[in-house]
Amino acid sequence: DAGVIQSPRHEVTEMGQEVTLRCKPISGHDYLFWYRQTMMRGLELLIYFNNNVPIDDSGMPEDRFSAKMPNASFSTLKIQPSEPRDSAVYFCASSFRTSGNSSYNEQFFGPGTRLTVL
Amino acid sequence: DQQVKQNSPSLSVQEGRISILNCDYTNSMFDYFLWYKKYPAEGPTFLISISSIKDKNEDGRFTVFLNKSAKHLSLHIVPSQPGDSAVYFCAASAEGANNLFFGTGTRLTVIP
Repeated sequence: DAGVIQSPRHEVTEMGQEVTLRCKPISGHDYLFWYRQTMMRGLELLIYFNNNVPIDDSGMPEDRFSAKMPNASFSTLKIQPSEPRDSAVYFCASSFRTSGNSSYNEQFFGPGTRLTVL
Repeated sequence: DQQVKQNSPSLSVQEGRISILNCDYTNSMFDYFLWYKKYPAEGPTFLISISSIKDKNEDGRFTVFLNKSAKHLSLHIVPSQPGDSAVYFCAASAEGANNLFFGTGTRLTVIP
């Protein structure tokens, strides 16, 4: 399996431009997570989906951020308009819930997209 | 508000010695804890986990200890190897929840 795939790996844009980050989860996984990594706050959960449906978007910083998952193999995180404070590494992760009493299932992370907004 | 805290941003250890990484949490509903390891330009990868019904879990050179009364966990690596140099994230989850709360990470440097 190729693992979680993210594109682009690096993105440099100017303030005010629209940015779209892409993610392909591991086949068969039914949960997809978007995180942002910063020095101050570490890994912050932005939003997560279950079976393509957004479950919790309380971590999305503001209306400039939006995420979609049109099908089980693709998700996007869009920032419009982008601002310098959005500069960070954005990770996508996926997991699947097994049956039984396990309270948690391991999340598999992609390599991340390093976003720089000038 | 940071519910999972890693107060040491960095740690340096000599090869062969023990590395101890610490993590504190504030939410008493957390019942599952994980450590992730991250190399530069890569995503975090799962390392080891522990359920709140245990106080210790061991996997080779890696051992995680959980002190529920203190809301504290630690990761011990012994013996430390240069390949262990990475950023280590502590994470926690509440029962039935699907999301993880991560700390800010500790950068471990193992000196040959």
